[in-house]
Amino acid sequence: QQQVKQSPQSLIVQKGGIPIINCAYENTAFDYFPWYQQFPGKGPALLIAIRPDVSEKKEGRFTISFNKSAKQFSLHIMDSQPGDSATYFCAAGRNTGNQFYFGTGTSLTVIP
Amino acid sequence: NAGVTQTPKFRVLKTGQSMTLLCAQDMNHEYMYWYRQDPGMGLRLIHYSVGEGTTAKGEVPDGYNVSRLKKQNFLLGLESAAPSQTSVYFCASSSPRGAGSGELFFGEGSRLTVL
Repeated sequence: QQQVKQSPQSLIVQKGGIPIINCAYENTAFDYFPWYQQFPGKGPALLIAIRPDVSEKKEGRFTISFNKSAKQFSLHIMDSQPGDSATYFCAAGRNTGNQFYFGTGTSLTVIP
Repeated sequence: NAGVTQTPKFRVLKTGQSMTLLCAQDMNHEYMYWYRQDPGMGLRLIHYSVGEGTTAKGEVPDGYNVSRLKKQNFLLGLESAAPSQTSVYFCASSSPRGAGSGELFFGEGSRLTVL
């Protein structure tokens, strides 16, 4: 059973567009929600993370929106660039625990 | 900065053969993890360790064994490889505080093919 559901599986946008990746979870015990970015041939790297006590967090061009009541969170990439082309994973876990559950990933392509 | 180093990077096995993947980290992290990444499945946790000499099962532990004899090393073993274990394997490490904030440091992966 997939603990974290992620969509879409793939996404193609023009440079400057705002791709949006959505994730949903069921376990209300989760209290930390990181996003990872993975380039081909590399391991995932932490991009940005949010706790459920805030509804939005921005870091540069990357924004996480969080809806606790709907148990959903999403990643927005403002003014997307070809260098943002990568696979993005959402994840969820407990900040007192040592396991995180990853979504299935979204392959993003930004066309110049 | 080495970070998390995995060896080997590529390996081809025949069904029934055994092998060990080695993960080494130089960040003095307490926690270490082994994940597998498959198309359409994301990253799934195989086993993890919260300290030297301790290991625990993750989401998909069957067919794998692990050992953490030294703090900096985490070994993943396949005793009798099966085609279903064809995957890309990632090792990760974190501090306890980092684990609580989702900050895992990943290696570059080991691509395993079982024929």
